[in-house]
Amino acid sequence: KQEVTQIPAALSVPEGENLVLNCSFTDSAIYNLQWFRQDPGKGLTSLLLIQSSQREQTSGRLNASLDKSSGRSTLYIAASQPGDSATYLCDSQGAQKLVFGQGTRLTINP
Amino acid sequence: DAGVIQSPRHEVTEMGQEVTLRCKPISGHNSLFWYRQTMMRGLELLIYFNNNVPIDDSGMPEDRFSAKMPNASFSTLKIQPSEPRDSAVYFCASSLGGLRAGWFGPGTRLTVL
Repeated sequence: KQEVTQIPAALSVPEGENLVLNCSFTDSAIYNLQWFRQDPGKGLTSLLLIQSSQREQTSGRLNASLDKSSGRSTLYIAASQPGDSATYLCDSQGAQKLVFGQGTRLTINP
Repeated sequence: DAGVIQSPRHEVTEMGQEVTLRCKPISGHNSLFWYRQTMMRGLELLIYFNNNVPIDDSGMPEDRFSAKMPNASFSTLKIQPSEPRDSAVYFCASSLGGLRAGWFGPGTRLTVL
């Protein structure tokens, strides 16, 4: 059974820092992995989708990488801003369908 | 487009009552998803439809839960009878094909007393 883990559960950093969020999965036979952002009281917003054949995807200040062999994905946020404060979730799609991590709650301090 | 629309946004009911959650997907999207989010279990996929047909309902917790999609612009998730452990935020999402939900609604916060 696929398990997706996001550590740490919460992270607080000063504005302007570059940071990395982690997502680990136990079954490497995934089709793709997606990163989402969730603001308090809101639904999820898709950030980046990485197919199993890809190593990384970039969108603006965000870069997501995928290493299937090690069962890891990272979301890199450059030059963090207070508006980046949110909960970030990853999910993997595989034969066992979609499995979400519990998320990392990110706080960027001005 | 107004995005995925869910109603009601908040629902408080008593144990044993029937609850119906509603969703209008983004126009043109042919896949629709229902998710449940709780602190304990995180985000779980309950069921998804493709072209109005239920494709996978393996995430539906038990027979008290049912979902329908009578047409491309409307879906319901019904809980009957409701129980306190059903308290959660229920999200509807839609996409243009595939298992991936690209656009999420704002969610319905359900509280069962």
